[in-house]
Amino acid sequence: GAGVSQTPSNKVTEKGKYVELRCDPISGHTALYWYRQSLGQGPEFLIYFQGTGAADDSGLPNDRFFAVRPEGSVSTLKIQRTERGDSAVYLCASSLTEREQFFGPGTRLTVL
Amino acid sequence: KNEVEQSPQNLTAQEGEFITINCSYSVGISALHWLQQHPGGGIVSLFMLSSGKKKHGRLIATINIQEKHSSLHITASHPRDSAVYICAVRSSTGRRALTFGSGTRLQVQP
Repeated sequence: GAGVSQTPSNKVTEKGKYVELRCDPISGHTALYWYRQSLGQGPEFLIYFQGTGAADDSGLPNDRFFAVRPEGSVSTLKIQRTERGDSAVYLCASSLTEREQFFGPGTRLTVL
Repeated sequence: KNEVEQSPQNLTAQEGEFITINCSYSVGISALHWLQQHPGGGIVSLFMLSSGKKKHGRLIATINIQEKHSSLHITASHPRDSAVYICAVRSSTGRRALTFGSGTRLQVQP
């Protein structure tokens, strides 16, 4: 079956622009996670959805970052007024239980 | 100090060598994951442990809850094992998100 997919795979934008990153979880997975991975580092948690609601958004770095999951499936991570420090790989993962998380291939965001 | 520390950061081995990657953590956990990340970013889950030892093929993962330490072993290493290996923990507070180590970059030379 299909795994977690993320689009786009690469996104280059200019400082100050708005970007949206999309995650399609594995069908039926109720939990969805967004992580951010800077070069040479492990991923860092951003936000976790259980169904349509954000169960834990404590990892969002500031109010320029926002994520939605309106129908409990696809999620969109939105970044306003992008800054060069936002450049990273944004990873999405989904799970059905508390056990294994299945990761997508990531979106590499470059802010010039 | 990071909640999850891995060592070494970088490791170069010759094909066939036995490899050990270590992970120490400072918080109470409900589970520990070992993940593999290949160039290009894709992450694959290798193991999830809450106690003891697990084996899959040439990979072995162990955890000592009392010492807050886990190891990932690769026997008879092969160049295709070259990747970044990441340790991640799920807190025992009930928080679902994982906390990750910074990874160990393994290069196995033929």
